[in-house]
Amino acid sequence: ILNVEQSPQSLHVQEGDSTNFTCSFPSSNFYALHWYRWETAKSPEALFVMTLNGDEKKKGRISATLNTKEGYSYLYIKGSQPEDSATYLCACVTGANNLFFGTGTRLTVIP
Amino acid sequence: DGGITQSPKYLFRKEGQNVTLSCEQNLNHDAMYWYRQDPGQGLRLIYYSQIVNDFQKGDIAEGYSVSREKKESFPLTVTSAQKNPTAFYLCASSSPRGSNQPQHFGDGTRLSIL
Repeated sequence: ILNVEQSPQSLHVQEGDSTNFTCSFPSSNFYALHWYRWETAKSPEALFVMTLNGDEKKKGRISATLNTKEGYSYLYIKGSQPEDSATYLCACVTGANNLFFGTGTRLTVIP
Repeated sequence: DGGITQSPKYLFRKEGQNVTLSCEQNLNHDAMYWYRQDPGQGLRLIYYSQIVNDFQKGDIAEGYSVSREKKESFPLTVTSAQKNPTAFYLCASSSPRGSNQPQHFGDGTRLSIL
């Protein structure tokens, strides 16, 4: 079992603010890092899958970076909107191809 | 629309009873997974299947059983041996099973003890 940690646990920001949160994972035996967005009463939705050190991915106002050597990934949201309110999950994939999830960061964007 | 359907949305189990959670996908995905979520914890893998008629235990398989007789279906049975079944259960699929493929999730089933 892999220890994947996400911080902060929860976060409140004002509409229009930019924000970021962290996913930390063991750097040994790393294969991939997944980010998912999970809105209340819906199913988790894949945002990014990253595999290479230095990877940067972007989807609209959301972007993510990956540092496999030090074992962390950042998720950034630029100009937060109320519809960005959700729990953001990261998951690390090891050589056995299983996903190990963090506990998530719950983001609330206040209008 | 393609997707994953889990049913029922809510399920109640009596002591000593086995219950089965349904998971159906029409995404033509080879791999399917069952996760459990408890308060304050990340999703934990119960069972996964890479192909029809094959499945493997995840991290917390004790007290659970699965079958994979059809590509579209991966039902999970919570047996009476699972002493703490109250949780939220998520089914997912991906194609093919591999670290670069995102997983697609259902809406979940919440299981409670009567």
